[in-house]
Amino acid sequence: AQSVTQLDSQVPVFEEAPVELRCNYSSSVSVYLFWYVQYPNQGLQLLLKYLSGSTLVKGINGFEAEFNKSQTSFHLRKPSVHISDTAEYFCAVSDWTSQFYFGTGTSLTVIP
Amino acid sequence: ETGVTQSPTHLIKTRGQQVTLRCSSQSGHNTVSWYQQALGQGPQFIFQYYREEENGRGNFPPRFSGLQFPNYSSELNVNALELDDSALYLCASRTLQGQGTEAFFGQGTRLTVV
Repeated sequence: AQSVTQLDSQVPVFEEAPVELRCNYSSSVSVYLFWYVQYPNQGLQLLLKYLSGSTLVKGINGFEAEFNKSQTSFHLRKPSVHISDTAEYFCAVSDWTSQFYFGTGTSLTVIP
Repeated sequence: ETGVTQSPTHLIKTRGQQVTLRCSSQSGHNTVSWYQQALGQGPQFIFQYYREEENGRGNFPPRFSGLQFPNYSSELNVNALELDDSALYLCASRTLQGQGTEAFFGQGTRLTVV
């Protein structure tokens, strides 16, 4: 089975500062990697995904992530955060079963 | 707008009761998955339906069951509710063509068991 570890449960950051949300995964098979965002009382919205090819993936709202196979990581980054980025962020992997395995989430709080 | 709609949005049930949650998948999607998200946790996979057949199940007891209809909408049924069943239940739809297709999530149903 696959597993996902999000290393930081809470990340406070000042507005316009850069941020990195860390994600490591464990799998014995090829997986696909995703980052989803969840705003309060909402479902999950896809930020970006890695299927194959270039290890640097760009997503919506200025977010990007880098796939590192040797370190089994898929960290999410944004060079300058905005108040509206305050939300819960989930890293997920999907394998050949198409089932998603989610991490426990990172709560990003942007401080004015 | 993802096009995945869930009903109801909130629900309060008593321990031991049964509940049915509903999901309308996005147009053109033939696969529906259900997830349970407990407070402060990531979503946990319950099961998945592809063309009306269950084709994957997570570590949930048999009292969690489901259906998918010919129009690809779906129901999640939970019998003999327990307090620990209180959670946000998320439905996700996708097109199962190849691997790595993204899942589109609904806003969820918040179930409270008292």
